[in-house]
This record gives sequence, structure tokens and C-alpha cells, in this order.
Amino acid sequence: DAKTTQPPSMDCAEGRAANLPCNHSTISGNEYVYWYRQIHSQGPQYIIHGLKNNETNEMASLIITEDRKSSTLILPHATLRDTAVYYCIVRRNAGGTSYGKLTFGQGTILTVHP
Amino acid sequence: SQTIHQWPATLVQPVGSPLSLECTVEGTSNPNLYWYRQAAGRGLQLLFYSVGIGQISSEVPQNLSASRPQDRQFILSSKKLLLSDSGFYLCAWDNRFSYNEQFFGPGTRLTVL
Repeated sequence: DAKTTQPPSMDCAEGRAANLPCNHSTISGNEYVYWYRQIHSQGPQYIIHGLKNNETNEMASLIITEDRKSSTLILPHATLRDTAVYYCIVRRNAGGTSYGKLTFGQGTILTVHP
Repeated sequence: SQTIHQWPATLVQPVGSPLSLECTVEGTSNPNLYWYRQAAGRGLQLLFYSVGIGQISSEVPQNLSASRPQDRQFILSSKKLLLSDSGFYLCAWDNRFSYNEQFFGPGTRLTVL
């Protein structure tokens, strides 16, 4: 699976949009971009994933560049509870008898302040 | 709805003692199961995964082992703990036919003294 590069930390004011970048310049055509987050002392939580189209759900939006070499996770209205480590992961989606290994990097520590 | 349980939540063990961490999943059948470890200040590392009863694959060499005696039960074990085994252990599952989301348990924080 392709490696990802994320800034180690970011700050965001409460109520503002948080834009978290991720570089994945070696991504392959069959690899998806996943985002998870981990709030302190809890297990990671799935946020969103995409292949090449922009995606939106109730938690966030995912913007993938046309060449797919980078992406941005957008939390439209950050709250204090969004303070967490955000992981960008590139992974093939396998089916049948295969498995879905997640390779976590160091992620981005997002701090939302009042 | 599906839920994943892990116990114990915290554990303090002396070096050289055995270990048994248990994970169970409810509300789904034939899940893929995973054990991850997170050392202090580091990212999550996949230790083991299982695609079925009795089927275990190891991602990294270590003194830990895993077993899957039942479809929704995953156990992490060690005969003799090392200081380096300290960390936050997370169990996870996903659906083998839909890998959109991997669900993580609450974790076990292990301290080896």
C-alpha cells in the first residue's frame, strides 16, 4: 500500500472549518484514500473514504485532487470534540477471502481551541 | 447492531508473566478480526489478523500469539511478557465482503513492569 505524508499538528478555532491535508504521491489506481481519527485513549473511528470523486457524509468531506496524489479532509464546523489524531490511509479494497489491512502512520494532531 | 468488546480495560503485569486478552464481536457473522498495538507516542501497528476460525496470520515477529477459537472471538496471548510489550492493544473487525469501515474496540492498556 502507498505511503502517506501528513503534517504532525494543526490548530483550528471552534466553529471554523478544519482542512487536513494528506500527500499520497505513490497511490495506485486501485487504492482508496481512507480517513480515521483517534480521540485520546480510544480506538480509531472511521470518518470517510474515497477513490477519485469527492465524498461527503455527516462527519466530513473528502476532496481528492484530479491526479489523486493528495487529498484534504474537511471538517466544516470543528468543535472541541473534534480534537484528535487524524490518520490518512491508502489501501486497496480487497474482497472474498482477503482482508483489509490498515497501515497507520503518525497522523495529524488536530487541536480545536475555543 | 454490531458491538465489539475487549477486556480487561487496563492491566499491569510483571515481566515474565503470561498474558491473555480477549475480544468478542456481536451482531455479525464471519468477520475479519485484527489485533493492533499502539506503543506510547506511536501509531498503530497491526499484529495479527484472522479471516476465519483457526486461521491466524502474523504481521510482525514477536513473543505474542493469537487464536480464534470461535467465529467472533479473538484472543491475544503471551507466555512471558517483555517490557516492550507495554502498550495500548486494540481489537478490530470488518466485513470480508465490504471493507469500507473497520470497527475498533475500546482497547486494553497493558503496562509491563
